[in-house]
Amino acid sequence: GQNIDQPTEMTATEGAIVQINCTYQTSGFNGLFWYQQHAGEAPTFLSYNVLDGLEEKGRFSSFLSRSKGYSYLLLKELQMKDSASYLCAVRLNTGFQKLVFGTGTRLLVSP
Amino acid sequence: DGGITQSPKYLFRKEGQNVTLSCEQNLNHDAMYWYRQDPGQGLRLIYYSQIVNDFQKGDIAEGYSVSREKKESFPLTVTSAQKNPTAFYLCASLPGLLSNQPQHFGDGTRLSIL
Repeated sequence: GQNIDQPTEMTATEGAIVQINCTYQTSGFNGLFWYQQHAGEAPTFLSYNVLDGLEEKGRFSSFLSRSKGYSYLLLKELQMKDSASYLCAVRLNTGFQKLVFGTGTRLLVSP
Repeated sequence: DGGITQSPKYLFRKEGQNVTLSCEQNLNHDAMYWYRQDPGQGLRLIYYSQIVNDFQKGDIAEGYSVSREKKESFPLTVTSAQKNPTAFYLCASLPGLLSNQPQHFGDGTRLSIL
């Protein structure tokens, strides 16, 4: 089976840094996506990691360790608009891009 | 601007009724997907399509049907056989099924039972 774990909810303060963890146990691995989803809206792409290490993109960074089955999304200089759900999705080793999603982490940023 | 349009945004179904959710994209993408999102659960794959006139079942296809008669369109029908249809439905597309690019999502349709 496929298992992806993320914390259900996190809170942080505007201007702070927050790290959202994702651990996975899947039958095959071909990369890991992070998406942001505001309530009732479409998920939007944040990052994609295939190799181990840190990928930095502005205020957002994502890290992957394939040997540990672990990834995190780091959000710096938090803004109120960062209040959203963050979805971790593992791409499986199938003949097409099949994603297995975690349940998502709801982040609440307070003033 | 290219994108994916899902309609309607809200949909209500009566018992025993089939309803169809629309998904249209103008990104010229070959691959399209349908997901279901329930509270406390991750997105789950219902159906996917690699090319026109071809589609495959995902993990939770029972009670659903799709068609792919045009590249731009991938409608999803929720049949009366789907006993728990209340959920948020998301359509996505990709340049090709083997692509490493991220899937683009529509804004979703929220389906409820009357």
